[in-house]
Amino acid sequence: QQPVQSPQAVILREGEDAVINCSSSKALYSVHWYRQKHGEAPVFLMILLKGGEQKGHDKISASFNEKKQQSSLYLTASQLSYSGTYFCGTESGDDKIIFGKGTRLHILP
Amino acid sequence: DTGVSQNPRHKITKRGQNVTFRCDPISEHNRLYWYRQTLGQGPEFLTYFQNEAQLEKSRLLSDRFSAERPKGSFSTLEIQRTEQGDSAMYLCASSPTPYEQYFGPGTRLTVT
Repeated sequence: QQPVQSPQAVILREGEDAVINCSSSKALYSVHWYRQKHGEAPVFLMILLKGGEQKGHDKISASFNEKKQQSSLYLTASQLSYSGTYFCGTESGDDKIIFGKGTRLHILP
Repeated sequence: DTGVSQNPRHKITKRGQNVTFRCDPISEHNRLYWYRQTLGQGPEFLTYFQNEAQLEKSRLLSDRFSAERPKGSFSTLEIQRTEQGDSAMYLCASSPTPYEQYFGPGTRLTVT
């Protein structure tokens, strides 16, 4: 039931773009994206709800394919501050988020 | 708004001992969640409160784990008869809605 994230790790140069994917085998009500920097707590980035509603930061974009139970997080013109581990979390209508194993993103200057 | 706080930040205990962690959510957040996180993994759901009611508890959670949220304010997570496999970061999060969760800094437990 744990969502599968890909890739496991990404190395980018500052200014490059990245896409992080999240896939679930369960029907989903919402997909949540968080970023965690080393030694810190996870920080909310975005939630995508069944039906198309989205809530999150203006500089982050993501998509949610309800039929395929997949979501993608798009990071454009990456900055050094984007480095960290990105977690997707899936929720199936029970308010319980199941997180994936994460995608480690490292941005080089 | 001072954020979610957790105490203690670090706890070292011997196998077999009981430990208790405290979480103070952001005031007026009626939802409170406990997670466990090990190295290289995402947060693993443990349990969830809406106000003082415990609405969900992970089936992965053994009977040695118990959580309370008296009066819908702070919450405690107790682990009885700790085992080395309990070593992890224990995260608390609170939320005013089913949407974004605000995580605390966590309590790192080491069982020796």
